[in-house]
Amino acid sequence: QVQLVQSGAEVKKPGASVKVSCKASGYSFNNYAMQWVRQAPGQRLEWMGWINTGNGKTKYSEKFQGTVTITRDTSASTVYMELRSLRSEDTAVYYCARGPLYLLDFDYWGQGTLVTVSS
Amino acid sequence: DIQMTQSPSYLSASVGDTVTITCRASQGVSNDLGWYQQIPGKAPKRLIYAASSLHSGVPSRFSGSGSGTEFTLTITSLQPEDFATYSCLQHNSYPFTFGPGTKVDIK
Repeated sequence: QVQLVQSGAEVKKPGASVKVSCKASGYSFNNYAMQWVRQAPGQRLEWMGWINTGNGKTKYSEKFQGTVTITRDTSASTVYMELRSLRSEDTAVYYCARGPLYLLDFDYWGQGTLVTVSS
Repeated sequence: DIQMTQSPSYLSASVGDTVTITCRASQGVSNDLGWYQQIPGKAPKRLIYAASSLHSGVPSRFSGSGSGTEFTLTITSLQPEDFATYSCLQHNSYPFTFGPGTKVDIK
């Protein structure tokens, strides 16, 4: 069965960076996109970007352009999301979600990673 | 950006009721619309994709309809495990955007 397992919770200081991992199993890793979405407390879900795990191409939301980088390690079936220059407003639960390349929606989700930004 | 709105934002219902949630897009998104269920503290789960297709394993009491700018999610014969927040997502145009969610509570 499709499983996406994310790394554990993080606490970071303002200005720091965080790198969240998402390990995939149960399907052919290279044949899907991996999306990243976050949810701040009490807020709606917010799309950040996605990576084509087959060729490594990425697409980011303009809001996060320049501060987020999504990469993948095909040998480990793992996708990484790095967010830099953290601010308190970046405190959120970050999710990875698989997406069929022909549809680009979000069919299976990771369990979420809480990132807390606090001085 | 395409703005997604949902109505109602909250609804109170009883087990066995039929509920309908509406999602509206500020511009047309064809049928690139999905519905997600989220229980507090848990990851979202896809219910519906392509506006009206049922995700594998999702009970048939969930159904979706619509195209363009107006979409609906209907849950017939509400079950105790259906009390959750439901959100729509458009993935037609960048940036992909979600609705604010509709919380379905027990009456």
